[in-house]
Amino acid sequence: KQEVTQIPAALSVPEGENLVLNCSFTDSAIYNLQWFRQDPGKGLTSLLLIQSSQREQTSGRLNASLDKSSGRSTLYIAASQPGDSATYLCAVRGGSNYKLTFGKGTLLTVNP
Amino acid sequence: GAVVSQHPSWVICKSGTSVKIECRSLDFQATTMFWYRQFPKQSLMLMATSNEGSKATYEQGVEKDKFLINHASLTLSTLTVTSAHPEDSSFYICSASQGTGVSNQPQHFGDGTRLSIL
Repeated sequence: KQEVTQIPAALSVPEGENLVLNCSFTDSAIYNLQWFRQDPGKGLTSLLLIQSSQREQTSGRLNASLDKSSGRSTLYIAASQPGDSATYLCAVRGGSNYKLTFGKGTLLTVNP
Repeated sequence: GAVVSQHPSWVICKSGTSVKIECRSLDFQATTMFWYRQFPKQSLMLMATSNEGSKATYEQGVEKDKFLINHASLTLSTLTVTSAHPEDSSFYICSASQGTGVSNQPQHFGDGTRLSIL
């Protein structure tokens, strides 16, 4: 059974700092990995999708890497802003039914 | 693009009531739709997957007679919580994808529905 772990559970940083969020998964037989953002009481916004054959994806100040063999992914946020404050969720797609398995998320607070 | 609209965003009702939640893909055809449930500070837990025109596939432990899912068109899926009780109170989120099975397409999520049963 796939398990996804996100570390740290919560992170508080001053504005402007670069930061890294970590995601690990137990079964490396995945099709892709997706990073999401969730604001309080809201649904999920897809940030980046990395296919299993890819090593990284970039979008603006966000860069996500994938090391499938070691079961790890990182989300790098450059020059953080207060508007980046949210919960960041990592999810992997795998298994015979191709479903997404989510981590519990990292609650990020960027202080002005 | 790739907008998923979920309605209502918040509902409060009495125990024993049935509640219907709608999920629409506004600018793409959703071959597959997913329904999740999320408890506070917890992961999203998949409840069921539905393909347009087919019966939904429910995850283990999810009562199909309790949570009725209909995916009648490529842009609309509904989740009906029948005879809701306080333990059904939760945050329900739908998601839609243009792909099926092993898909290279990302899943797009609605804004969720906060269901409170009194």
